[in-house]
Amino acid sequence: EVQLVESGGGLVKPGGSLRLSCAASGFTFNNAWMSWVRQAPGKGLEWVGRIKRKTDGGTTDYGAPVKGRFTISRDDSKNTLYLQMNSLRTEDTAVYYCVTLDSSGYFSLDYWGQGTQVTVSS
Amino acid sequence: EIVLTQSPGTLSLSPGERAALSCRASQSVSTSYLAWHQQKPGQAPRLLIYGASRRATGIPDRFSGSGSGTDFTLTINRLEPEDFAVYYCQHYDSSSALTFGGGTKVEIK
Repeated sequence: EVQLVESGGGLVKPGGSLRLSCAASGFTFNNAWMSWVRQAPGKGLEWVGRIKRKTDGGTTDYGAPVKGRFTISRDDSKNTLYLQMNSLRTEDTAVYYCVTLDSSGYFSLDYWGQGTQVTVSS
Repeated sequence: EIVLTQSPGTLSLSPGERAALSCRASQSVSTSYLAWHQQKPGQAPRLLIYGASRRATGIPDRFSGSGSGTDFTLTINRLEPEDFAVYYCQHYDSSSALTFGGGTKVEIK
């Protein structure tokens, strides 16, 4: 069974930093493309970014609102995905989901974690 | 960037009725890259449909997806109580950007 467990969320002041982690199990993590998706309170889903598997270059892409401030990385030896968030703004307040991204040709978000809350407030 | 527009914003139906949810893309997209997700209150989303019409593992056959070009539809036949939720379409394009529609809420009439 695929399991994705996010951690690291919390309350942070504007301008601060936070690192989220996502522990993955139940599938071959080093073969997976991974993504982060967020959801602001009462709002819809917003894509944060994606990291490919290392055999595909391990490259990253980001949504416009977070480009230059957020960094996605992975540690395949630990089956863990990370999201480093810097220069946080109040509008970054959201639940952050770790999600697997199909790389076989459909590019659907296949398996979702339960999410971790990030609140940016003074 | 491709924009996905979902309609209606809210659909009020009774259990047993049929729901038809629309997702319109700002330009023609490949059916391979169109997916649908369901989100219930307080829960994470889950994948229903990928490749515009392929049901994900464990999804009941009352859920079906169709469409091509710029117009896609998620149909739910014979609504069950557990189907009342918010539904999002999702697209991934060749420039590696992933976008969501604004969502359609299916509520009990």
